[in-house]
Amino acid sequence: QQQVKQSPQSLIVQKGGISIINCAYENTAFDYFPWYQQFPGKGPALLIAIRPDVSEKKEGRFTISFNKSAKQFSLHIMDSQPGDSATYFCAAINAGKSTFGDGTTLTVKP
Amino acid sequence: GAVVSQHPSRVICKSGTSVKIECRSLDFQATTMFWYRQFPKQSLMLMATSNEGSKATYEQGVEKDKFLINHASLTLSTLTVTSAHPEDSSFYICSARDSGRTSYEQYFGPGTRLTVT
Repeated sequence: QQQVKQSPQSLIVQKGGISIINCAYENTAFDYFPWYQQFPGKGPALLIAIRPDVSEKKEGRFTISFNKSAKQFSLHIMDSQPGDSATYFCAAINAGKSTFGDGTTLTVKP
Repeated sequence: GAVVSQHPSRVICKSGTSVKIECRSLDFQATTMFWYRQFPKQSLMLMATSNEGSKATYEQGVEKDKFLINHASLTLSTLTVTSAHPEDSSFYICSARDSGRTSYEQYFGPGTRLTVT
């Protein structure tokens, strides 16, 4: 049973637009929610993370919105740039162990 | 800060041989490291949790005798793929958690591409 569902599978956005990636989880024991960016042939890099007692966290162009009652969280990339083209993974952590979403391939067209 | 290295970055080996992959935390200590496997265009699959000074905890379906993990120091964990077969070809990624922090953040290595011929 997949515990973290991520959508969409792929996303194409024009340069300067907003990229939105969504994740939903089922296990209410999850207590930390990071987002990772991965370029081809590289390991994932931590982008931004949030705890469930916070509804929103912003770092530069990246914002996480968290809805605890709906068990959903999303990543917003403002002013998307071609350099943001990568695969993005959400994750949910319980007792230190991470469960990853299936990933979203983002393409930002110039 | 929070840099994790992996060596080698790429390795090609013949079927039946063993391959060792190293994962090092360069600027922090890590009592816990994780080993993942990733197939093309797929998510990360946790193989095992490596704890310094104790036996690794393997996920269901992962053969512990085939994927040997040793976490002998606070900065080094190794994954040895024994008697490798072509189906073991994959991208192997390690991550480490900073023992000096209370957060759950993991820092990932750059990955190792294993090809078994």
